[in-house]
Amino acid sequence: DAGVTQSPTHLIKTRGQQVTLRCSPISGHKSVSWYQQVLGQGPQFIFQYYEKEERGRGNFPDRFSARQFPNYSSELNVNALLLGDSALYLCASSQYTSEAFFGQGTRLTVV
Amino acid sequence: GQQVMQIPQYQHVQEGEDFTTYCNSSTTLSNIQWYKQRPGGHPVFLIQLVKSGEVKKQKRLTFQFGEAKKNSSLHITATQTTDVGTYFCAGGSNDYKLSFGAGTTVTVRA
Repeated sequence: DAGVTQSPTHLIKTRGQQVTLRCSPISGHKSVSWYQQVLGQGPQFIFQYYEKEERGRGNFPDRFSARQFPNYSSELNVNALLLGDSALYLCASSQYTSEAFFGQGTRLTVV
Repeated sequence: GQQVMQIPQYQHVQEGEDFTTYCNSSTTLSNIQWYKQRPGGHPVFLIQLVKSGEVKKQKRLTFQFGEAKKNSSLHITATQTTDVGTYFCAGGSNDYKLSFGAGTTVTVRA
């Protein structure tokens, strides 16, 4: 079975640009969560979606948005990129419990 | 909001020795989860504890959840080079959000 897949794996953007990250959950998982991991820190919760509805939002500015599609895949959008947005963005899918299965992440570099 | 703290930040261990990493939450948790992240990799789920005072073992790893459901520990015996990585605890609350600690980065001297 395929695990959580994220695309792209690496991305370089310029300050002020917009970026879209994509995630496909494990088959049968209806919940997708997004996390930001800055080097040397633990993942920080950004969003959780379940059955296409936002279930939770972390302490991130409105420049961050997300959505979930009918096939349970998800996109994370970040507008007006700042240097501080450089990080590993992780997507995690889960089924009935809160146990999270992470993808390999998207490494975003803002220059 | 909920904060999860982990100590120590770094653990340098001689191969074959034991060590423990600790996790403390500012609020009562519905569950605690532990993840391991290898250098350059992504977090991989190790275990989830739900009950007050729960203890679970996975080979050389022993996980505990405190009676008040506000703290947890991971004890590794006879450390091996395969144990290298960063161990994160993550506190689960009723809103399904996971709050991760900053992690304990483990290095092993052969």
